[in-house]
Amino acid sequence: SQQGEEDPQALSIQEGENATMNCSYKTSINNLQWYRQNSGRGLVHLILIRSNEREKHSGRLRVTLDTSKKSSSLLITASRAADTASYFCATDAGTGNQFYFGTGTSLTVIP
Amino acid sequence: NAGVTQTPKFQVLKTGQSMTLQCAQDMNHNSMYWYRQDPGMGLRLIYYSASEGTTDKGEVPNGYNVSRLNKREFSLRLESAAPSQTSVYFCASSGQYEKLFFGSGTQLSVL
Repeated sequence: SQQGEEDPQALSIQEGENATMNCSYKTSINNLQWYRQNSGRGLVHLILIRSNEREKHSGRLRVTLDTSKKSSSLLITASRAADTASYFCATDAGTGNQFYFGTGTSLTVIP
Repeated sequence: NAGVTQTPKFQVLKTGQSMTLQCAQDMNHNSMYWYRQDPGMGLRLIYYSASEGTTDKGEVPNGYNVSRLNKREFSLRLESAAPSQTSVYFCASSGQYEKLFFGSGTQLSVL
């Protein structure tokens, strides 16, 4: 079974609103990563947070990590139509070199 | 800097035919991966190679073989294709504990 599960599966918001998606995982990790995939394209790395970090920012992205709950959240602030994509979390299951993905959250930002 | 290059981009096979997907990276990464992506399933790890000369099974290895030809190249072979292998295949590479870099994907249809 897959290591990570995102929720919600789908999210639709108005441009300018914030979008929050969550990821839960099953085993210990060294790091957790978030990726974006535009329709029909490959995956693009957004942000990596290590197991000893609790929060990380990159531009309009904010990621939190709670290792006690085995969960992470990705917040996109002031969303834009160009943020419309699927978002995936990935964890290394404590190995450092095997990465397992969740099923993703499909985000639609309405102009 | 090309990153991760995988070929072909599209392929149609008949049931029982064989084919090899090629992947090469120029970032001097030790780890390389093959994933498949089906609608609603996210990415599932087929095989990975933590270093040159080693390969290991991921979540869904049945029906596939891999070869880590050298540090740069990691190929995925379907010996006898089945309709259940219709999917989009992604190759990726990474340093240990670091982010993944993805190829642009191969869309495979098995009729």
